[in-house]
Amino acid sequence: GDSVTQMEGPVTLSEEAFLTINCTYTATGYPSLFWYVQYPGEGLQLLLKATKADDKGSNKGFEATYRKETTSFHLEKGSVQVSDSAVYFCALSMNTGFQKLVFGTGTRLLVSP
Amino acid sequence: NAGVTQTPKFQVLKTGQSMTLQCAQDMNHEYMSWYRQDPGMGLRLIHYSVGAGITDQGEVPNGYNVSRSTTEDFPLRLLSAAPSQTSVYFCASSLRQGIYGYTFGSGTRLTVV
Repeated sequence: GDSVTQMEGPVTLSEEAFLTINCTYTATGYPSLFWYVQYPGEGLQLLLKATKADDKGSNKGFEATYRKETTSFHLEKGSVQVSDSAVYFCALSMNTGFQKLVFGTGTRLLVSP
Repeated sequence: NAGVTQTPKFQVLKTGQSMTLQCAQDMNHEYMSWYRQDPGMGLRLIHYSVGAGITDQGEVPNGYNVSRSTTEDFPLRLLSAAPSQTSVYFCASSLRQGIYGYTFGSGTRLTVV
């Protein structure tokens, strides 16, 4: 079945460091891809998305590019802030039927001043 | 405020008790779903609905029941609580086209003792 694999955490960085969180997927077809962020004690918020190959999603300084050839959707940010500390989930949704979300296990990011 | 509202935020149940987790959205979204979040497992789909009167099972439906009598509401019922149902539960909604992403509630933390 469809699945998402993302790097184990926690990822620990100093403020202003470069961030990469790896995400790869397995799907029969061409899914839409998402990154969600969960701040402590809160629900998930959509961070960015891409719906077809080579699309780049971006929001709040975060970017991810849909790479069909490597089945990847890595999340990057050039300079992280303490306020970016959260859990990040990669997810896919097939564009047929119910279009349910299939999530990775989440990667915790800790940014220190 | 527009969005997905879940109640209660916290609940402790004894084994064998039943309860209903409430979920309401005011965005006129057709799709609604329930996920559970467990450490190291990401989010897993319990039940979902594509419109009033239509529900179906997700990955982990056993021990849970749902109904959708209105577009706005999608309650989740635990029939006879078990310790394995200790988890954080999230309700989510979206437009018919899942490519727009899902809006999540803030979650219900349930402990079954």
